Amino acid sequence: EADIYQTPRYLVIGTGKKITLECSQTMGHDKMYWYQQDPGMELHLIHYSYGVNSTEKGDLSSESTVSRIRTEHFPLTLESARPSHTSQYLCASRDITQETQYFGPGTRLLVL
Amino acid sequence: QKEVEQNSGPLSVPEGAIASLNCTYSDRGSQSFFWYRQYSGKSPELIMSIYSNGDKEDGRFTAQLNKASQYVSLLIRDSQPSDSATYLCAVRTPGSARQLTFGSGTQLTVLP
Repeated sequence: EADIYQTPRYLVIGTGKKITLECSQTMGHDKMYWYQQDPGMELHLIHYSYGVNSTEKGDLSSESTVSRIRTEHFPLTLESARPSHTSQYLCASRDITQETQYFGPGTRLLVL
Repeated sequence: QKEVEQNSGPLSVPEGAIASLNCTYSDRGSQSFFWYRQYSGKSPELIMSIYSNGDKEDGRFTAQLNKASQYVSLLIRDSQPSDSATYLCAVRTPGSARQLTFGSGTQLTVLP
């Protein structure tokens, strides 16, 4: 069973605010991912990391940024939230020796 | 053409029937294939992985892979209302920075 955590689970915030979505895993996985998913729609990869100090942008253009200072921690930051950022954000991780990618519970973000 | 395509759905089957979910992929170099189940408002959870041609069974679930035809399917026997969810097909292609490419999902409803 995967131990991957996301906080907050739900967030309602006003336009222009800076927000950070937290993701942490206790499995020592090197690879971590952020996906964005609108209701009923497919997953879109927005950021990924292969390890500490390694971050890359994914397929979907995003105004968010990420950092990977510690193996277990992969936060995502929006400097200025907009209603178009309203979505569900899913964090995932994978061990380099395994195929399986595990997902966290997600953060539902609503920007007013 | 999308890299990973799934039956558009939604798919409805009566309780106790076999549900068949299909997925095709475009990259012949793909080597690893996954089925995730996602309940409404929840994060995806892995239910099956398959790496070689043929069938792989796990309880009521059977994954089928045909690399020559570039398709992978998931059969759910004795479908239960609790199987009602969106099923996501995911494909891993070596050398792809994205690691996993997801299909848009097929929504399954099992009618009591």
